[in-house]
Amino acid sequence: DTGVSQDPRHKITKRGQNVTFRCDPISEHNRLYWYRQTLGQGPEFLTYFQNEAQLEKSRLLSDRFSAERPKGSFSTLEIQRTEQGDSAMYLCASSSGQAHGYTFGSGTRLTIV
Amino acid sequence: EDQVTQSPEALRLQEGESSSLNCSYTVSGLRGLFWYRQDPGKGPEFLFTLYSAGEEKEKERLKATLTKKESFLHITAPKPEDSATYLCAVVSSGNTPLVFGKGTRLSVIA
Repeated sequence: DTGVSQDPRHKITKRGQNVTFRCDPISEHNRLYWYRQTLGQGPEFLTYFQNEAQLEKSRLLSDRFSAERPKGSFSTLEIQRTEQGDSAMYLCASSSGQAHGYTFGSGTRLTIV
Repeated sequence: EDQVTQSPEALRLQEGESSSLNCSYTVSGLRGLFWYRQDPGKGPEFLFTLYSAGEEKEKERLKATLTKKESFLHITAPKPEDSATYLCAVVSSGNTPLVFGKGTRLSVIA
């Protein structure tokens, strides 16, 4: 078990472009979470999956954001028509239950230029 | 709505100078309170889970305690390698995912 993997680690893109991030959770974990973190702030919840079902989405998740978890394995987070305010660290985490500790990946640092 | 407030925002300690970080929370039925450590440019690393008031957990120089309104992370005789941001988070009975505080940025000076 290599923990939670995220790819890429860094992404620099021009405003208006689409970007996609990937997360590979711990294989035994059925829950997968996406969070966003900006400088000096704690992680903010975006969305989560239990197996392949997307069970909750935050108000932060605008129509430009979409997440998938096909077959309950890896997950992708896509941002369409990126804006300056999308610059942040995007964190993925997995767990085996709601009240269990989440294991986080190293994150994807997105910079919009 | 679940809320977590951490204080202080930043703390600077001399090596060996013990101190405590505070996490105050407001939730509708606490199911668990979590402490994480985060190094710059990395994801949060799990430290402790506390489930009920009066519970305590220890790991090396760190000790976490929990009351009905707050949690403390006590750092005894810290070393420079303890420098990091310490995040507190809660999960409530509303089946919502972890809600995080803004963190306390700890610097330990040799």
